[in-house]
Amino acid sequence: KNEVEQSPQNLTAQEGEFITINCSYSVGISALHWLQQHPGGGIVSLFMLSSGKKKHGRLIATINIQEKHSSLHITASHPRDSAVYICAATGGTYGQNFVFGPGTRLSVLP
Amino acid sequence: EAGVAQSPRYKIIEKRQSVAFWCNPISGHATLYWYQQILGQGPKLLIQFQNNGVVDDSQLPKDRFSAERLKGVDSTLKIQPAKLEDSAVYLCASSFSLGGAGEQYFGPGTRLTVT
Repeated sequence: KNEVEQSPQNLTAQEGEFITINCSYSVGISALHWLQQHPGGGIVSLFMLSSGKKKHGRLIATINIQEKHSSLHITASHPRDSAVYICAATGGTYGQNFVFGPGTRLSVLP
Repeated sequence: EAGVAQSPRYKIIEKRQSVAFWCNPISGHATLYWYQQILGQGPKLLIQFQNNGVVDDSQLPKDRFSAERLKGVDSTLKIQPAKLEDSAVYLCASSFSLGGAGEQYFGPGTRLTVT
């Protein structure tokens, strides 16, 4: 059983739809990262959260420390948002390392 | 600012052969990570360096995998001999923070196929 879980595993949306990807973890952490991985490409860091909410363009990330849950939202989705989105937990019980979720594969259709 | 560089980008080898990957982190980043990412899974940490010392190599299959960062800058990861299950993307990442919980910057990865 993965220590960091994500849902859904795969997601297909129509252009313009509002998208939510969820991440849950089981122990206390100091930070939660959201990462984006395009096919054949490396990984880009989107957000690092320790509390509350962050917004960057059409992307919004939230975290609820008490519930050990984080969400990544994409507003007005676009085909170029198609990628794998990975959450990673670090700090606390996990120590210095990143513990990665399995990723959510998003396809946005035109 | 230049990003994390990795080479080669792709490599195809036969099982039992050897292969080496190279990573050059962002200048000034003390911490360097090597990850293995099998298709459909999240990355798995193989080894973490802080400057030229190993911080964590608990998940590195030491019978066949080795890594070094001799001068505390660039690093090489070697597999000898390769097995079919080593087919994966090998990602290098670096971080400025010494604690390891800060933001990590990832290279483009090396896609290894073992036939």
